[in-house]
Amino acid sequence: DTAVSQTPKYLVTQMGNDKSIKCEQNLGHDTMYWYKQDSKKFLKIMFSYNNKELIINETVPNRFSPKSPDKAHLNLHINSLELGDSAVYFCASSLGLNTEAFFGQGTRLTVV
Amino acid sequence: AQSVTQLGSHVSVSEGALVLLRCNYSSSVPPYLFWYVQYPNQGLQLLLKYTSAATLVKGINGFEAEFKKSETSFHLTKPSAHMSDAAEYFCAATEGGGADGLTFGKGTHLIIQP
Repeated sequence: DTAVSQTPKYLVTQMGNDKSIKCEQNLGHDTMYWYKQDSKKFLKIMFSYNNKELIINETVPNRFSPKSPDKAHLNLHINSLELGDSAVYFCASSLGLNTEAFFGQGTRLTVV
Repeated sequence: AQSVTQLGSHVSVSEGALVLLRCNYSSSVPPYLFWYVQYPNQGLQLLLKYTSAATLVKGINGFEAEFKKSETSFHLTKPSAHMSDAAEYFCAATEGGGADGLTFGKGTHLIIQP
């Protein structure tokens, strides 16, 4: 079983569209995250959820919104997609804050 | 605020040679430190972690790292490089008790020459 799984792996869409990326973890972790990796491979945290409560919200556009239906899932919704949103988005989970994170395989988003 | 600096965006070594990837951190409190590896088109895999126990940390695939508080460093080493070690390596830090998630360095691309 994959510990942290996210779908889809690839997503190509047009500017202005709304899209979602799903993430599920079967590790029983309390905290889940979304990270963005840009074209230079730089990783930056976007959000984290701890027991369904948003506890970190970096300065990302409000077009991005995390949704957590339960502790095992953290989905990322993106509205009005822009060219600059093209990147690889990684979901991750950890047992608690400030412990090692386990990453999904990533979703490569391309906005055309 | 903490920051992580990885010296050298690209490091090239011969197969069988020593691998040394450098990482320095800047933190107002003792951090927890991690090394991750990313193979092409894959997610990040944890190599090893330092969480204020032993300063010399052993990880998977023969890698180890030493925490040196006086130098604010956490360099990654492997005695003998293998072709399969070619990948992107990331150093990351988080502050104990904080809520900022992981702060990553910019990554080091390791190239193994046959």
